Amino acid sequence: AQSVSQHNHHVILSEAASLELGCNYSYGGTVNLFWYVQYPGQHLQLLLKYFSGDPLVKGIKGFEAEFIKSKFSFNLRKPSVQWSDTAEYFCAVNGEPGNMLTFGGGTRLMVKP
Amino acid sequence: ETGVTQSPTHLIKTRGQQVTLRCSSQSGHNTVSWYQQALGQGPQFIFQYYREEENGRGNFPPRFSGLQFPNYSSELNVNALELDDSALYLCASSPDRDSPLHFGNGTRLTVT
Repeated sequence: AQSVSQHNHHVILSEAASLELGCNYSYGGTVNLFWYVQYPGQHLQLLLKYFSGDPLVKGIKGFEAEFIKSKFSFNLRKPSVQWSDTAEYFCAVNGEPGNMLTFGGGTRLMVKP
Repeated sequence: ETGVTQSPTHLIKTRGQQVTLRCSSQSGHNTVSWYQQALGQGPQFIFQYYREEENGRGNFPPRFSGLQFPNYSSELNVNALELDDSALYLCASSPDRDSPLHFGNGTRLTVT
């Protein structure tokens, strides 16, 4: 069975600070990796995804993530956060054919203006 | 806007009752998935339907069942409700079984 761990449950940053959210997964085979964001009162939205190829993937709103296969990690980064980045961030993986996702527990990010 | 609409937005039920949650997907989205998100946790996969047949199931008991209809709508049914079923239930759709999911806003179910 696959699992996803997000070690930071709550993160508080000031605007312009750099962000890195950790994500580690457990699965021995080929994986597809995702980061989703949930802004207050809104639906889950896809930030970025990794299927294959360049392990550094760029997503929307200036976010990027790096897939490190040897570390089973897919950390999310942003060089300079904004107040509008306040949201909950979820890492997800699917290791089976298809798009049935296993999510991590989420990281709640608060950006202080 | 994801094009995925869920109803109702909120629901309160009593333990032992049955509930039906509904989802309307975008036209052409042949795959629909349901997730349960308990408070403070990430979404957990319940099951997926593809072209009206169950395509995969997570670790949920048989009292969780679903239907998918040809008009891109779907239902999640839960029988014999338990207090632990209180959660946000998310519907997600995609054109096929490999594309990223589009999520709805969810239905918040409270079981008392």
